[in-house]
Amino acid sequence: GESVGLHLPTLSVQEGDNSIINCAYSNSASDYFIWYKQESGKGPQFIIDIRSNMDKRQGQRVTVLLNKTVKHLSLQIAATQPGDSAVYFCAETGGGQGGKLIFGQGTELSVKP
Amino acid sequence: GAVVSQHPSWVICKSGTSVKIECRSLDFQATTMFWYRQFPKQSLMLMATSNEGSKATYEQGVEKDKFLINHASLTLSTLTVTSAHPEDSSFYICSASVSSNRAKNIQYFGAGTRLSVL
Repeated sequence: GESVGLHLPTLSVQEGDNSIINCAYSNSASDYFIWYKQESGKGPQFIIDIRSNMDKRQGQRVTVLLNKTVKHLSLQIAATQPGDSAVYFCAETGGGQGGKLIFGQGTELSVKP
Repeated sequence: GAVVSQHPSWVICKSGTSVKIECRSLDFQATTMFWYRQFPKQSLMLMATSNEGSKATYEQGVEKDKFLINHASLTLSTLTVTSAHPEDSSFYICSASVSSNRAKNIQYFGAGTRLSVL
């Protein structure tokens, strides 16, 4: 069938700057969230996750913030590098069973050298 | 750890033929595997959830006779696109779920298969 093309939101940052990628989720019953990175022509790669009983979690150069009040998730990347250029997806459980994830539309991050 | 291998990475086939895509969890056992379809510049669309030893659960709008899924072991799931047509051309991605006390829903993804139907 016909697919409707959507333009991915894009974020362009200078190498070395910090990046903030945002995601709004819809299901207040979601209790687990994951950020994935997808490079062109490849499968998504796990970056970091967070449970709904937390509002912040840090990894190596990345931090995820969760605001359940407004159903907002963000991914912060410190000292962005050219290798960080990719599409970033947030995913939520949607409160359902069976381990299914609901993916957001994605944000394309472009890092300028 | 948690490596998922997907094969082939790219396939071109004639209209009307069938194509099989394999998804393997290399260093863990995956009771659940997922199949997604992705169009350019779009997000991942879940096609079906595959549990080892049972029938796959298909998402609404996905033709189960068109996209045959077999999950014969804890490390292998296959997706067969039957009687492929040009509109089936897409990027197909599998994932395998690892469940633990902390990370109950982490899915690890294969590298994807680019299917082009002529």
